[in-house]
Amino acid sequence: EAQVTQNPRYLITVTGKKLTVTCSQNMNHEYMSWYRQDPGLGLRQIYYSMNVEVTDKGDVPEGYKVSRKEKRNFPLILESPSPNQTSLYFCASSLNDGVYEQYFGPGTRLTVT
Amino acid sequence: GQNIDQPTEMTATEGAIVQINCTYQTSGFNGLFWYQQHAGEAPTFLSYNVLDGLEEKGRFSSFLSRSKGYSYLLLKELQMKDSASYLCAVRGRALDTGRRALTFGSGTRLQVQP
Repeated sequence: EAQVTQNPRYLITVTGKKLTVTCSQNMNHEYMSWYRQDPGLGLRQIYYSMNVEVTDKGDVPEGYKVSRKEKRNFPLILESPSPNQTSLYFCASSLNDGVYEQYFGPGTRLTVT
Repeated sequence: GQNIDQPTEMTATEGAIVQINCTYQTSGFNGLFWYQQHAGEAPTFLSYNVLDGLEEKGRFSSFLSRSKGYSYLLLKELQMKDSASYLCAVRGRALDTGRRALTFGSGTRLQVQP
């Protein structure tokens, strides 16, 4: 089944404790992206990747890192999480950065205390 | 970034027709997407417009006018399961940075009542 998976689905952590949210897709998509979704603000792009070893900042990259060592995986790293990073995070992938729709993972609800 | 405007909430009756509007400001317009998102779930793709006009897909249709920076999503024969948020997303260049981006609106929460 074609899908985007994310882990963990739910995470409660404390300020400053490094964490990684994994994202994997099995559709051989070139383009992958991370979003955060907050009430009233919609989906905002954090980072995106056009292909392996090619990543770039989105609209709200501060406090986040990403890597794209393999085509299928695009982990999101929070080196020192802060409470303002409490949010719902979605990973998405598409065939390329063009006219194709994005497929979203199920979401990761992160709470930083 | 790019500016995208949609109503926050709408209510409609089962069996009726509802139109959800989206206006946008961008440079280098290169397509507009509509996604549906049920509460607590991931967005799923509904439609894509890049040329002016109406695209029909079953009960859902989407319209685009590039000169007016305007799109709408039309839902016919509403069903209770259509209660969800509808997200308008524009592909273009951010007005401030010129960076290519896909920007989402805040979404319109549609409630379908019996």
